[in-house]
Amino acid sequence: ILNVEQSPQSLHVQEGDSTNFTCSFPSSNFYALHWYRWETAKSPEALFVMTLNGDEKKKGRISATLNTKEGYSYLYIKGSQPEDSATYLCASSSYGNNRLAFGKGNQVVVIP
Amino acid sequence: GAVVSQHPSWVICKSGTSVKIECRSLDFQATTMFWYRQFPKQSLMLMATSNEGSKATYEQGVEKDKFLINHASLTLSTLTVTSAHPEDSSFYICSARVGQGAVIAFFGQGTRLTVV
Repeated sequence: ILNVEQSPQSLHVQEGDSTNFTCSFPSSNFYALHWYRWETAKSPEALFVMTLNGDEKKKGRISATLNTKEGYSYLYIKGSQPEDSATYLCASSSYGNNRLAFGKGNQVVVIP
Repeated sequence: GAVVSQHPSWVICKSGTSVKIECRSLDFQATTMFWYRQFPKQSLMLMATSNEGSKATYEQGVEKDKFLINHASLTLSTLTVTSAHPEDSSFYICSARVGQGAVIAFFGQGTRLTVV
């Protein structure tokens, strides 16, 4: 079972501020890194899937980077809005294995 | 995006009874579905991988006779918790992926099971 760690576990952000958090994963035999946003009472929603070292992806005010050599990914939220309040899940997979291993999530609360 | 529907969203059952949870892909065919369980403040833990028309592959430590998975069609997978006990109380969620490799997963809404 891959060990995927996310930090911080929870954070409060003032509306308008930018924030970021980290996902660390095993770099050996790495295949893909996923980010999902999970709002309360809804289904987790895919944000990004990244595979290549140095990958950067952006969706609106949210972006992510990937470092496969050192085994970490950053998720950035620019100009946080109340609707960004959610738990952000990171998941990793390895070559030859279709399974995703999830971290515990980064719970973000944006304070108006 | 693709939609996965999971029912029920919550269920309370008596100890010793069985509970069935359904996971349907509404607008696509899911050859593979995944069942996860999440305890409070913990990560989603994979229980089993369900492939249409074949037996599910269970993760280590997950009792296949207790958690029965059936994937009879390309749009429906079910998880039955048999002879439920209070320690089975948890959040169960399914996901489906189209194809192999670095493809995103589509999740159901999850089911909160409480065994009393």
